[in-house]
Amino acid sequence: ELKVEQNPLFLSMQEGKNYTIYCNYSTTSDRLYWYRQDPGKSLESLFVLLSNGAVKQEGRLMASLDTKARLSTLHITAAVHDLSATYFCAVDRHSGNTPLVFGKGTRLSVIA
Amino acid sequence: EPEVTQTPSHQVTQMGQEVILRCVPISNHLYFYWYRQILGQKVEFLVSFYNNEISEKSEIFDDQFSVERPDGSNFTLKIRSTKLEDSAMYFCASSETGLSEAFFGQGTRLTVV
Repeated sequence: ELKVEQNPLFLSMQEGKNYTIYCNYSTTSDRLYWYRQDPGKSLESLFVLLSNGAVKQEGRLMASLDTKARLSTLHITAAVHDLSATYFCAVDRHSGNTPLVFGKGTRLSVIA
Repeated sequence: EPEVTQTPSHQVTQMGQEVILRCVPISNHLYFYWYRQILGQKVEFLVSFYNNEISEKSEIFDDQFSVERPDGSNFTLKIRSTKLEDSAMYFCASSETGLSEAFFGQGTRLTVV
């Protein structure tokens, strides 16, 4: 059974600081996704990571994937208040047409 | 930009009533999914649907749940007799192929009272 663990689950950080969210998964997977969710809203796709060593960056967020370690990181650089949200990683199993397994999410709060 | 649309955005229903949640997937997509998120918790897979049949379902998707693609555009989730614990946000998603990224709708918040 594929399991996805995120940590931390809660993160309060000051504006301007850097931090990393970790996502570990238990079995081989083709794809790893990062989503952002604002309260009461849908899932906004941030990154899709498809191969070992993949690194993608968008603004202050950078995601990477190490398939050998079964680990993905979401790095936040110089946090701003607008980044406050819940961030989920999700993984699908190593075959086609398989559902996503989500982590529990990291609730990020950026404070002044 | 094409998007997955869900209706209604919020539904309140009495325990024991039937509800139907509706989704219009992206038009050229062939794979459809329902996920659920209980307030404050993670997103959980319910069911996937391809070629007019269920391809996979989770333990949550018991006999109270059913899915249907009644016409060429809609994809519905029916809960026959709602329970309090069915209160959640329900997300529909679709993907072009089984290997491509799934796109999520904005969700339907179901409140069972």
